[in-house]
Order: sequence, then structure tokens, then C-alpha cells
Amino acid sequence: GNSVTQMEGPVTLSEEAFLTINCTYTATGYPSLFWYVQYPGEGLQLLLKATKADDKGSNKGFEATYRKETTSFHLEKGSVQVSDSAVYFCALSGGGAQKLVFGQGTRLTINP
Amino acid sequence: NAGVTQTPKFQVLKTGQSMTLQCAQDMNHEYMSWYRQDPGMGLRLIHYSVGAGITDQGEVPNGYNVSRSTTEDFPLRLLSAAPSQTSVYFCASSYASTEAFFGQGTRLTVV
Repeated sequence: GNSVTQMEGPVTLSEEAFLTINCTYTATGYPSLFWYVQYPGEGLQLLLKATKADDKGSNKGFEATYRKETTSFHLEKGSVQVSDSAVYFCALSGGGAQKLVFGQGTRLTINP
Repeated sequence: NAGVTQTPKFQVLKTGQSMTLQCAQDMNHEYMSWYRQDPGMGLRLIHYSVGAGITDQGEVPNGYNVSRSTTEDFPLRLLSAAPSQTSVYFCASSYASTEAFFGQGTRLTVV
């Protein structure tokens, strides 16, 4: 079946550092890929998405590229801010957005 | 638009009690889903619905019931609560293959 594996956290960085959170997936067919973010005490919000190979999703300075050859969708940001502290989830959708498969989540803390 | 609204936000149950977690959306989305979030395990799909009158099981359906009598509402019923059902529950709605919108969550503790 479909599955998503994220790099284990927690991750702690200083402000303005470069961020990478690794995400790899196993799926049949051509899934859509997503990064969701969960701020403390809140639900999940879509951060970015990509629906086909070589697509790059981007939002709020974050980027991720759908790499079919390496089955990866790594999240990157060039310069993180304290406000980026949150839990980040990689997810895939093989049969519609009503059936998302999530990674375990990566807690990110940014220190000033 | 309120988006996806879940009630209650917090609940404590005794083992064996039953309860219903409410979920309502005002975006006229066809698809709705329930997930549970446990530490180190991400979110796991409990049940989902692709339209009024149509529901199906997800990855972890045991101990939960759902129904979808209207497009707007998708309640999740715990039939006989167990400590293993202590978790944070999220409802989500979506239109076809577009992004899923999540509610704020219900934190449930079963003692």
C-alpha cells in the first residue's frame, strides 16, 4: 500500500538557517504530494502541493519538488524565521484528497 | 465562511461510554474524512465519505461508526470508548482531488 516516510525530528535551527525536511514515498500510480503545517493548538493547513512529476510547489518561501525517480518530495526553505516553528507533515493522495496518507510529522523549532 | 467546524474541542470519557464527535462544513464539499493523530504516527484515516449516503472505511475503522445524511455533516460515533481511543481527532473536507481543509481538532481522553 501507499506510505510516506519523513525524517525524524525534532529539528532545532537558528533563525535564518537553511531548512531541509526529507520526505520519501511509496505509491502505485501517480499520486499527488502535499506538505501540511500544524501550528500549536491548531488544525492542519496546506503549505504547498505538487500533482505530477517535476512539479515544484512553493508558498511562504518554502519549496518542494516532486521527484519521481527518487520518490521524494523534500521540503526546503532558504532562511527560516521563528514564526516557522510548527509540525510539518508530508502526505500523498493516490485516490483523492479524502484519503490522504501522512508521514509521522517533523517538529521544527526555530530559535532567535 | 466558517470552513470545517468540529465540536467539542475537548472531551473526557470513561471507558465504555459512547459519544459523537460533530463535524460540519459550509464549503459544499463532496468529500469528508476523519483522521486520528497520535504521537509519532502522523494522521491515520478512520472513515471517509465521497457524498451524502456514501461512506467507507479507512486504515483504522474499528470502534468507530459514521454516517453522512447531508453534504454538510459527518459525525463520528464512538460506540464503547476504550483508552486506546485517546487521541486528537481531525475532520477534513475537500472537493474532488483538490486540497483538504481541516477542522481545529477534538482532543479526546478516555480514562
